Amino acid sequence: GENVEQHPSTLSVQEGDSAVIKCTYSDSASNYFPWYKQELGKGPQLIIDIRSNVGEKKDQRIAVTLNKTAKHFSLHITETQPEDSAVYFCAASFIQGAQKLVFGQGTRLTINP
Amino acid sequence: ETGVTQTPRHLVMGMTNKKSLKCEQHLGHNAMYWYKQSAKKPLELMFVYSLEERVENNSVPSRFSPECPNSSHLFLHLHTLQPEDSALYLCASRNKRGGDTQYFGPGTRLTVL
Repeated sequence: GENVEQHPSTLSVQEGDSAVIKCTYSDSASNYFPWYKQELGKGPQLIIDIRSNVGEKKDQRIAVTLNKTAKHFSLHITETQPEDSAVYFCAASFIQGAQKLVFGQGTRLTINP
Repeated sequence: ETGVTQTPRHLVMGMTNKKSLKCEQHLGHNAMYWYKQSAKKPLELMFVYSLEERVENNSVPSRFSPECPNSSHLFLHLHTLQPEDSALYLCASRNKRGGDTQYFGPGTRLTVL
C-alpha cells in the first residue's frame, strides 16, 4: 500500500521568509496530491492540490511542485505571515473511486514576527 | 465553516459504554469518510462510505462500527473501547462526481477512561 513520508516535523521561519515542506510517496499509481492546513481546534482544510499530469501549481503565495520520477512533492509558501502558523499535512491517493488518502505525519510551521 | 458538522465536539466515555459520533454534510456530496487523528500517528482512514460502496481499513477494530443511513449523514458507533482509542475523530465528505477535494468537519475529541 501507499506510504507517505513528510519532513520536517517542525519548521520555524521569520515573517516574510519562505517555507518549504517536502513529502515522498511510495506507490507510483498515486495520481492526486493534496496539501491540508490544520489550525488549532479545527479540521484540516485544503490549501492546494496537484494531479500527476502537472508538474507545478501556484495559488498566490502558495505553490506545489511534483516530481513523479523521484516520487516526491513539495509545498512552498512565500512571504510568510503570522496566520500561516499551523500544522500542514501532505497526502497521496489514486483519485478515482474511493480516493483513500494516505497522509504524512504533519509539519508544525511557526512564523516568528 | 466547511459545510461538514460533527457532534458532539467532545466526548468522555468509559470502556464499557456505548456511544455514537454523528457527522452531517450540507454540501450535496455523495461520499463520506471517517478518519482517526492521534498524537502518535498520522491521519488514518478508517472507513469510506458512498451509495455504491463501503471501504474499510482492515486494521480498524470491530469495536468501531460505521453507519451511513443516507448521503448526508454518517455515524460511528463505539462500544467497549480502549484507552488507546482516545483521539480526534474527523469526518470528511466529497463529491465523487468530478470533485477532488475532501472537506473535513471540526472533529470529535474522544477520551476513553
